[in-house]
Amino acid sequence: DAKTTQPPSMDCAEGRAANLPCNHSTISGNEYVYWYRQIHSQGPQYIIHGLKNNETNEMASLIITEDRKSSTLILPHATLRDTAVYYCIVRASGTYKYIFGTGTRLKVLA
Amino acid sequence: DVKVTQSSRYLVKRTGEKVFLECVQDMDHENMFWYRQDPGLGLRLIYFSYDVKMKEKGDIPEGYSVSREKKERFSLILESASTNQTSMYLCASSLSSSGANVLTFGAGSRLTVL
Repeated sequence: DAKTTQPPSMDCAEGRAANLPCNHSTISGNEYVYWYRQIHSQGPQYIIHGLKNNETNEMASLIITEDRKSSTLILPHATLRDTAVYYCIVRASGTYKYIFGTGTRLKVLA
Repeated sequence: DVKVTQSSRYLVKRTGEKVFLECVQDMDHENMFWYRQDPGLGLRLIYFSYDVKMKEKGDIPEGYSVSREKKERFSLILESASTNQTSMYLCASSLSSSGANVLTFGAGSRLTVL
């Protein structure tokens, strides 16, 4: 199972783009990359996922390197409400195991 | 949107009590999961279920059991609660295991065992 490595914490100024990196150097070809976030004392919230191509939705963009060994979650205009712990997860299609690390604690500063 | 509802947000129990944590999802998902979350340890999978009456152990099943009698409901049972089971418990569900299936989480149940 691929594991992920994320920096423990990051700060970002309000209104600026927040770029959260994730290393998943042992990822396999059929493993998806997912991003979730968890605001204090709530359940994790799904943000975005991808397999090979970059993805964008109303919340964020996901950039996956060509070799798939790392990815970056981009929150284009961070707000104070984006302060949370962000988890990068990999999971293989056909398996039940979503491997959570300890995430990155993002603090958006006014 | 899929909704995953956990019956209790906060519980306080005594050592040795039997504890039931209930979880219900409303979108006919095949898979349901129980995680616990502790500071510095991230989310750890306790049990999951891929169908009614079917269950598989996760990474830390000791001290827990589960029940899935109906597709929408997945219960976590602590037969005899201990203080080291004080934690945040998170239930989740997903449509299936094929393709890019997204986990949807409930709000969590914070259990304190005295």
